[in-house]
Amino acid sequence: NAGVTQTPKFRILKIGQSMTLQCAQDMNHNYMYWYRQDPGMGLKLIYYSVGAGITDKGEVPNGYNVSRSTTEDFPLRLELAAPSQTSVYFCASSYGYRGKNTEAFFGQGTRLTVV
Amino acid sequence: EDQVTQSPEALRLQEGESSSLNCSYTVSGLRGLFWYRQDPGKGPEFLFTLYSAGEEKEKERLKATLTKKESFLHITAPKPEDSATYLCAVQARSGNTPLVFGKGTRLSVIA
Repeated sequence: NAGVTQTPKFRILKIGQSMTLQCAQDMNHNYMYWYRQDPGMGLKLIYYSVGAGITDKGEVPNGYNVSRSTTEDFPLRLELAAPSQTSVYFCASSYGYRGKNTEAFFGQGTRLTVV
Repeated sequence: EDQVTQSPEALRLQEGESSSLNCSYTVSGLRGLFWYRQDPGKGPEFLFTLYSAGEEKEKERLKATLTKKESFLHITAPKPEDSATYLCAVQARSGNTPLVFGKGTRLSVIA
């Protein structure tokens, strides 16, 4: 039982490049989230999904895209990387039923630097 | 807009010196309040969920309490291994709302 798995762990991108951060969970959770965490700051929600085929914007969605074709996977796409996207990205999942969520389980994070 | 404010930003304690961390929240109906621990370079790790005012939960040296406006994380006789950042998050009652996090309290326990 791996929980939430993120790949890669580290990545350096040049300005204008694109990449996809991968996230997979094996707990059959319906909710999945992407957060970013900047130094000294809390977690800011980028996008989330309440189930396969359904995604919604969070607090800071600009410059990112997501898709949720399966329950297990929730990739985050960065198009035209900018220095402001340098951050640590966390994927998380939880089980939600009738609006009430269990605790969220987090991956180990992807540390992204855009130069 | 749902908001979570944690204080203090940083706290330095001597081993055995008990203290409390505060999490104040503004939310349109609270569905749940969550406490997490985060070690450097790692993802947050779940500690507690509180659902209603008056509720308390304990785990080893940690005890979380909840009122209608805030939550406290009490740390009794802390040890150096309790050093971490402690994050508070809330889920609002309306719709399929995800967790909103505070900025965290960075706790250092000195031997």
